[in-house]
Order: sequence, then structure tokens, then C-alpha cells
Amino acid sequence: DQQVKQNSPSLSVQEGRISILNCDYTNSMFDYFLWYKKYPAEGPTFLISISSIKDKNEDGRFTVFLNKSAKHLSLHIVPSQPGDSAVYFCAASTPNYGGSQGNLIFGKGTKLSVKP
Amino acid sequence: DTGVSQDPRHKITKRGQNVTFRCDPISEHNRLYWYRQTLGQGPEFLTYFQNEAQLEKSRLLSDRFSAERPKGSFSTLEIQRTEQGDSAMYLCASSRYTGELFFGEGSRLTVL
Repeated sequence: DQQVKQNSPSLSVQEGRISILNCDYTNSMFDYFLWYKKYPAEGPTFLISISSIKDKNEDGRFTVFLNKSAKHLSLHIVPSQPGDSAVYFCAASTPNYGGSQGNLIFGKGTKLSVKP
Repeated sequence: DTGVSQDPRHKITKRGQNVTFRCDPISEHNRLYWYRQTLGQGPEFLTYFQNEAQLEKSRLLSDRFSAERPKGSFSTLEIQRTEQGDSAMYLCASSRYTGELFFGEGSRLTVL
């Protein structure tokens, strides 16, 4: 049973517009959430994270929102650029071994295409 | 380049053969992780090390899989008696005690 779900396999957005990628989770013990970006033939690269004690974290064009009651998080990219075209993975972790992140549980990913 | 390095990048083998992958983490990182990714899926956790100690293993890591991290530096992942279902991208990542994981580019295994 998937604990982290990304229900949209793909998303297409016009350059300059907002991209919203969604992620749902089922395990209420998750306390740390991350977004990774992956280009073809490369490993995932870290994008942004959020702790469960916050509901928003912003880094430049990227903002992650966390709604704990709904067990839902989203990644907003504003404005979207063609170079943002990639597969985006949502990941979550539980406290492990002294509070640092143990293993990450990933969703299946959403392929974002930003059209010029 | 001071990122996570994996070797080989691609391995083609026949069913029943043994394969070994190597990962060199970022030098100051204490933790090293192995993940597996198949088509259309996100990375799935296999195992991780803190220094030389293997602290956690997934149920995905059958007895045909073994991972080592001697001296707490590089790590190897060996798959014995490979099966076609082992075909996947094997990703290595490293991190400090806390913080995000830094992934390598992966080792793609194709079992014929």
C-alpha cells in the first residue's frame, strides 16, 4: 500500500504560469517532507523540504505547502520555466535514530512539462 | 567533482550471474543509502549505513542482495543469482546525520 501518493502522472503548463504539483500521504507519523526533481539519465536532486511543524516553506520560485489535517502537500513553482520540465517526486520520512531522517518514502512522481 | 559517484553506470548481465555496484559518497557524509527505481515508480529504499554500520534493511532486500561499507567510506551492493525482476536503476545517496539526501546518477541493471 502506497504511503505517499502522487495521483497526477503528468502536468503541462505554459511558461510563466504557475505549476502546482500535489502529493498525499497516509502515514500520520511522517514528520518531514521533501521534493526532488529528476531529469532523464540523472539521479534525483533535492529541491525543497518542509518540517511538519510548519505549513509553508519558500525558496525563490518554489514554495511547498503542508496541510497536516488533510495529509496533503503541494509544490508551487512561480513562474514556471522550460528548464523546470522534469519528473518531480514527493518524499516523506519518519523520525529515526535520534530524530534525523531515516529512509525516505517516495511517491511515483509527476512529469512536469513547461511549454515555451 | 565532489558529488556521489556510482559505477558502473550500466550493467547488462545474464540471469543467474552475480553483479556488484560501487558507490562513492560525498566525503564528509556519514550516511549512505541504496535505493532501487523501476519504470514508472519512485525510488524504493533498500538499505542505509551510518559510517560502517548497516542500520536498516528493507524487506525488498532479499537474501540474494548484500551491501557493505567497509571503513565507512565507499559502499558495494552485490546481487547474487540475478533474476529478470532485478532489472532496475540502483541509486546511491549520501547525507550528513541530518539533511537532504544527495543522489548519484545511478547504475542501471539489465538482466537478460
